[in-house]
Parts: sequence; structure tokens; C-alpha cells
Amino acid sequence: TQLLEQSPQFLSIQEGENLTVYCNSSSVFSSLQWYRQEPGEGPVLLVTVVTGGEVKKLKRLTFQFGDARKDSSLHITAAQPGDTGLYLCAGATNSNYQLIWGAGTKLIIKP
Amino acid sequence: EAGVAQSPRYKIIEKRQSVAFWCNPISGHATLYWYQQILGQGPKLLIQFQNNGVVDDSQLPKDRFSAERLKGVDSTLKIQPAKLEDSAVYLCASSFGIGDTQYFGPGTRLTVL
Repeated sequence: TQLLEQSPQFLSIQEGENLTVYCNSSSVFSSLQWYRQEPGEGPVLLVTVVTGGEVKKLKRLTFQFGDARKDSSLHITAAQPGDTGLYLCAGATNSNYQLIWGAGTKLIIKP
Repeated sequence: EAGVAQSPRYKIIEKRQSVAFWCNPISGHATLYWYQQILGQGPKLLIQFQNNGVVDDSQLPKDRFSAERLKGVDSTLKIQPAKLEDSAVYLCASSFGIGDTQYFGPGTRLTVL
């Protein structure tokens, strides 16, 4: 059974601080996606990483795919209250392209 | 471009009652997904359609859940009879094709009392 473990499960920090969220698996994925979900809404795709070692930046968010394509991290620099939400990672395999989802990291940024 | 539409947004029922959810995907999207998201967990795929055919329903509890996409556009998901553990957010997503980016609707929050 393929599993994606996210850590931490919950993080509450002050505005301006930096943070890193992790997504780990023992399985290899062809691609890995990060989503943000706000209360009462569906997940919204932030980024897709496909190459081992790949780094993508989205303003203050930096996403990295592990060299072995089994893990990924999301780093937020100078967090803002608008970054508050549930961050989900999801991995895809070439076999059926279905997404394997992590349980999410609930992030709260306090002003 | 209109996003994925879902209704109702909220539903409260008692156990053993039935309930139905509706989803209208993004125009032109052939692939439609129904997910169940229990509080504190990631989404769990219940069923995936490609046009009006079922691609995967391996995690759909078929004794109580059913879904259809008769004309290959909008879809309904039904639960009959509902159990307490069915309390969750039911998300509908669509994509242009299999493996393409999925776009999610706002979900239906179901509470079973």
C-alpha cells in the first residue's frame, strides 16, 4: 500500500517566521503535487514537481522533490496570515495516474 | 471560465436516511472524480469516470454508495442508507483527461446524526 506521510500535522507560527513542511513515502512517484485547501473550499493546486531534485519557487514558497522521488518539502519564507490553510501533498504513479494523498498539514499564521 | 459546481454545500441527515450530491464539472473535462475527505485526513478517491464510463470504483462502498454520470457531463453520488461514519466532505473534481490537473469543487459537507 502506497502511503504519503506529512509532517508536522499542525503548525502555528507568527507572521514573518519561516517554516518547512515535509511529505515522505517509501514509494517512488512519477510526480508530486502540493495543494492548499481553505475552509469550505476544495484543494487548489500550487505546484507539480516531476524530476528528482527539482526545485520550484512560487513567490515566497519553495518546493523541492527528493532525488529519489520519494519525498518532497515545502518551505515558506516570511509567512503571512494569507498563507493560513491546509497544505496537502499528493503523489502520482505512471500505472494509473491516480493521486495518493497525504493527510495534510494545518498551518496557522498569526498576525 | 466557470469552475466545478457542487450542490448542496451542506447537508444534515439522520442515520439510515438517504442523500444525493450533484456535481457539474468544468466544460470539456472528460474525467470526473468523487472524493471523500474525513476531518483530519486527505481526500480518498471513491470513484473516477472517463466520460460516462467508470475507470475505478475500487474504494466505493457499493452496498450503500452509488454514482452515475449518464450523459458524460454532470454526475450524482448517492448514499443509502447513511451511517454515522459517512460524515465527511464530499469533493468533486474534474480534469481534461486522465493524468491531467484536477480542479476541485467547493465540496458538500455531510453530517450524519
